[in-house]
Amino acid sequence: DIVMTQSPDSLAVSLGERATINCKSNQSLLYSSDNKNYLAWYQQKQGQPPKLLIYWASTRESGVPDRFSGSGSGTDFTLTISSLQAEDVAVYYCHQYYSGKTFGQGTKVEIK
Amino acid sequence: QITLKESGPTLVKPTQTLTLTCTFSGFSLSTNGEGVGWLRQPPGKTLECLALIYWDDDRRYSPSLKSRLTIAKDTSKNQVVLTVTNMDPVDTATYYCAHRRYGTAFDIWGQGTMVTVSS
Repeated sequence: DIVMTQSPDSLAVSLGERATINCKSNQSLLYSSDNKNYLAWYQQKQGQPPKLLIYWASTRESGVPDRFSGSGSGTDFTLTISSLQAEDVAVYYCHQYYSGKTFGQGTKVEIK
Repeated sequence: QITLKESGPTLVKPTQTLTLTCTFSGFSLSTNGEGVGWLRQPPGKTLECLALIYWDDDRRYSPSLKSRLTIAKDTSKNQVVLTVTNMDPVDTATYYCAHRRYGTAFDIWGQGTMVTVSS
């Protein structure tokens, strides 16, 4: 299995400030035949199912606010919330769909 | 608009078999590329993909649970059924079904159903 490791496990950010979550895989998620990174980001609020935010590492799902952005390639990826809003309090997961389908352990984002 | 909904028992006893049904709308599992997966999330923990089934009846299973899982589709009813044999308390989790097009991420999820394994 491909192992996904997120950092930090939790972070507290002031409203309007930037939040950055990192995700590292133990093998490359870049598929050479299509030059795409098979990496997605999900947001999960308390008591709700995960919501897809980002796929192909940097493509925002329809309807997702543009304060959410994804970057990275190969084995290192980042989710950035450029200006944290109260409704962004949630746990965020990275997910690889390159081989098998595994998730990071999650990063809890709170308001400072 | 794609929607999915899970149904099944909320409580099962150890060693029993769990059967869950995912009823969906907004797509057809007879359409090229379409798929449905089952995932679970123990309380306070991360997500685990259990099984996937595609339009062509291709079935994929978690290697660690493969011997206990069976996934099947009923295209006429727009349903996907997951069975998990020999349930154990460690299988206590919220079970989700989710839509996936072949080669992409899970994009739409059901609300999930909590299953507790206890005698």
